[in-house]
Amino acid sequence: NAGVTQTPKFQVLKTGQSMTLQCAQDMNHEYMSWYRQDPGMGLRLIHYSVGAGITDQGEVPNGYNVSRSTTEDFPLRLLSAAPSQTSVYFCASRLTGVGNTIYFGEGSWLTVV
Amino acid sequence: GEDVEQSLFLSVREGDSSVINCTYTDSSSTYLYWYKQEPGAGLQLLTYIFSNMDMKQDQRLTVLLNKKDKHLSLRIADTQTGDSAIYFCAESSAAGNKLTFGGGTRVLVKP
Repeated sequence: NAGVTQTPKFQVLKTGQSMTLQCAQDMNHEYMSWYRQDPGMGLRLIHYSVGAGITDQGEVPNGYNVSRSTTEDFPLRLLSAAPSQTSVYFCASRLTGVGNTIYFGEGSWLTVV
Repeated sequence: GEDVEQSLFLSVREGDSSVINCTYTDSSSTYLYWYKQEPGAGLQLLTYIFSNMDMKQDQRLTVLLNKKDKHLSLRIADTQTGDSAIYFCAESSAAGNKLTFGGGTRVLVKP
């Protein structure tokens, strides 16, 4: 997972609180994305970006915002956390184009109580 | 939309071969991937196969692709206890911008 850094690794939030999960990569990858992982459901795409200034929704975007002001950073914001957002979140990046290897961060464990 | 299905669990004895199966629905899939996730860790790319290939071998790993049946399998030869993990298959869309993952197969290797 070299090159993709996520913070924080663990976080507990109260319902209604807001927070930002940070993701940074130093590989000059155009494509960055956020996934959430829930038991038995694999990884589901939340939002993705194909370059600075460009973002798009994935499979489960509701409750999350993203921005991409630089190539390196792709923060994920939870505006008003809900217990249903308790999950493990993974940031990933790769060069654009089919077949390029996707690199994952080590994950952020989020619990909303 | 795209869908990727995997069996939930596989138990295998150390030294035997493991076969993990995956089916997908998107006929325009271009690349198919296998990832390994160990407890508390992120996903590690194991191998991938281009959709116009039938087989790819990489050391102990063999990937078989039946494009007609949309079936992908990963065979691990001489399975070791360190192979115990969750294995995810994934497919990338024709545009290459999105990876769709299966739910993961938990592999338990017994000594």
